[in-house]
Amino acid sequence: KNQVEQSPQSLIILEGKNCTLQCNYTVSPFSNLRWYKQDTGRGPVSLTIMTFSENTKSNGRYTATLDADTKQSSLHITASQLSDSASYICVGSVSGGYNKLIFGAGTRLAVHP
Amino acid sequence: DAGVTQSPTHLIKTRGQQVTLRCSPKSGHDTVSWYQQALGQGPQFIFQYYEEEERQRGNFPDRFSGHQFPNYSSELNVNALLLGDSALYLCASSLGGLGSNQPQHFGDGTRLSIL
Repeated sequence: KNQVEQSPQSLIILEGKNCTLQCNYTVSPFSNLRWYKQDTGRGPVSLTIMTFSENTKSNGRYTATLDADTKQSSLHITASQLSDSASYICVGSVSGGYNKLIFGAGTRLAVHP
Repeated sequence: DAGVTQSPTHLIKTRGQQVTLRCSPKSGHDTVSWYQQALGQGPQFIFQYYEEEERQRGNFPDRFSGHQFPNYSSELNVNALLLGDSALYLCASSLGGLGSNQPQHFGDGTRLSIL
């Protein structure tokens, strides 16, 4: 069964600190792994997309890693800001004629001053 | 450059009614996918439209149907509404079907409440 599991479910950090969010995926056949940021009341916004041959991709203060062997991904946020408070969703893409996206439940991050 | 727009933003219906949600994709995009997001959960894939045809479908009953128009805009229809249909309905657009590695662009959704 294709599924994506994220941890922790929620996280509170102080402004300026770093944090790492985890994602374990069982997606087959695998196409790519995506991370999205979703602010409260808004739609998700794409942060990174990685294929199996890429093990690191950055987008500003966000750095995603991918280990295709262990089927794990992480999203590292550097020097957190209050605006980073959001849900971060890991998404596995199932390869096929028309790929299907499998969403995790997300990690809710709160950055406090 | 307009992004993905959805209408209405909020909607209240009663059990048994029918509802139609609308989505205009980002300029230049030809593929529209619909998702249901329950409170505190990740989005669940409903279906994808490409070239005016349903190409992929998630585990949703036939009460959920859709349409894509020649201008690539799309509608999601839900019949015989149930209390469990209360959710945020998200539309996402992309280029060339989900087979590409292109990112999806999401709208801000329609919040549907069933009384």
